[in-house]
Amino acid sequence: NAGVTQTPKFQVLKTGQSMTLQCAQDMNHEYMSWYRQDPGMGLRLIHYSVGAGITDQGEVPNGYNVSRSTTEDFPLRLLSAAPSQTSVYFCASSRTSGRTDTQYFGPGTRLTVL
Amino acid sequence: GQQVMQIPQYQHVQEGEDFTTYCNSSTTLSNIQWYKQRPGGHPVFLIQLVKSGEVKKQKRLTFQFGEAKKNSSLHITATQTTDVGTYFCAFVTGGGNKLTFGTGTQLKVEL
Repeated sequence: NAGVTQTPKFQVLKTGQSMTLQCAQDMNHEYMSWYRQDPGMGLRLIHYSVGAGITDQGEVPNGYNVSRSTTEDFPLRLLSAAPSQTSVYFCASSRTSGRTDTQYFGPGTRLTVL
Repeated sequence: GQQVMQIPQYQHVQEGEDFTTYCNSSTTLSNIQWYKQRPGGHPVFLIQLVKSGEVKKQKRLTFQFGEAKKNSSLHITATQTTDVGTYFCAFVTGGGNKLTFGTGTQLKVEL
């Protein structure tokens, strides 16, 4: 199993550009989520999904869209990039959305918005 | 809303010294997880605590969940350079669908 994969690993955007960060998992996990990590602020939840066709907002959803058309994939879309979205983005998955499930993280995408 | 403080933010130790990081919540937690993130890497699950007063050990790492389930700690005995990284606590909110992370404790170990 590849686990959780993310592409690209690095990305530089100009303000106003849009792009999609890809996330895929091959563990048949129901639950997937996106976090951003900024220095001194830990990991903050952007959006999450408890299954195909179901998504919900996390702590910092503004400026981001998600969809979950399949169990495996959970792309994150930046609609109009802003410098404040410069961050490291992690995708994670777990078997279910239950309280006791381990989160498996992807390697991250390092995004810079100029 | 629920607030979790993780302290300290940074810790520098000499190799062989002990290290402890704490997570303190304003409300009772149903469970707490701990993750480790190496520099340049991604968070990796270490352990989960569920029961009041629970203590779990993994080699030199000891994890505790407070009796009131409002605080938790991670203690490393005799640190090694391989312990370098940031340690995060995490807990579930939103009816079990949202995992919230503490701000993390960055550990540096000097020879």
